[in-house]
Amino acid sequence: DTEVTQTPKHLVMGMTNKKSLKCEQHMGHRAMYWYKQKAKKPPELMFVYSYEKLSINESVPSRFSPECPNSSLLNLHLHALQPEDSALYLCASSPQRGTVSEKLFFGSGTQLSVL
Amino acid sequence: AQSVTQLDSHVSVSEGTPVLLRCNYSSSYSPSLFWYVQHPNKGLQLLLKYTSAATLVKGINGFEAEFKKSETSFHLTKPSAHMSDAAEYFCVVSGSGAGSYQLTFGKGTKLSVIP
Repeated sequence: DTEVTQTPKHLVMGMTNKKSLKCEQHMGHRAMYWYKQKAKKPPELMFVYSYEKLSINESVPSRFSPECPNSSLLNLHLHALQPEDSALYLCASSPQRGTVSEKLFFGSGTQLSVL
Repeated sequence: AQSVTQLDSHVSVSEGTPVLLRCNYSSSYSPSLFWYVQHPNKGLQLLLKYTSAATLVKGINGFEAEFKKSETSFHLTKPSAHMSDAAEYFCVVSGSGAGSYQLTFGKGTKLSVIP
């Protein structure tokens, strides 16, 4: 299994809602990532988990709350989002953090619309 | 510090003709370089990577790239374009050592293939 699975594929939410994005991989990777991608832009790194511990938070607002319950799962909890948070949210994994030649495996993303 | 410049935001080719997508990089370290492809509303897929072995790197779907240190370039080529190659392409540079999680993405090149 060489896939990173993200659910849901599409999500529409209001600014007062609470929702969660889910990411799952069964490749034994110990590094997992959340990226945000606006239309026609490259992905921007949000969070990095290494061995289930948060190692990087790229100054992301607290309305985004990541969680890594085990080595295969990564969640992104959303609360009180703004319309400008509408974007494609990509999850990725890699064998480990800190390897020069590491390769990222990306999921297909969750297309989020905030109304 | 590292940076990536993709020299063309949009490239249009006819089916069956060669493809050239240009990328220049800047890095304080010996870089790892990648090309990723993203089809509409999909995640990113690795095409190929350079990690200081052979300077000519062969990837999937007939793509290849040549690392030229003297020109700080890593251009992506394919001898004959196929309709399925139409997508967004990102050139990516990775740091080394403890900073290698830090991938720097170029702004992307949209490849259009004309029948």
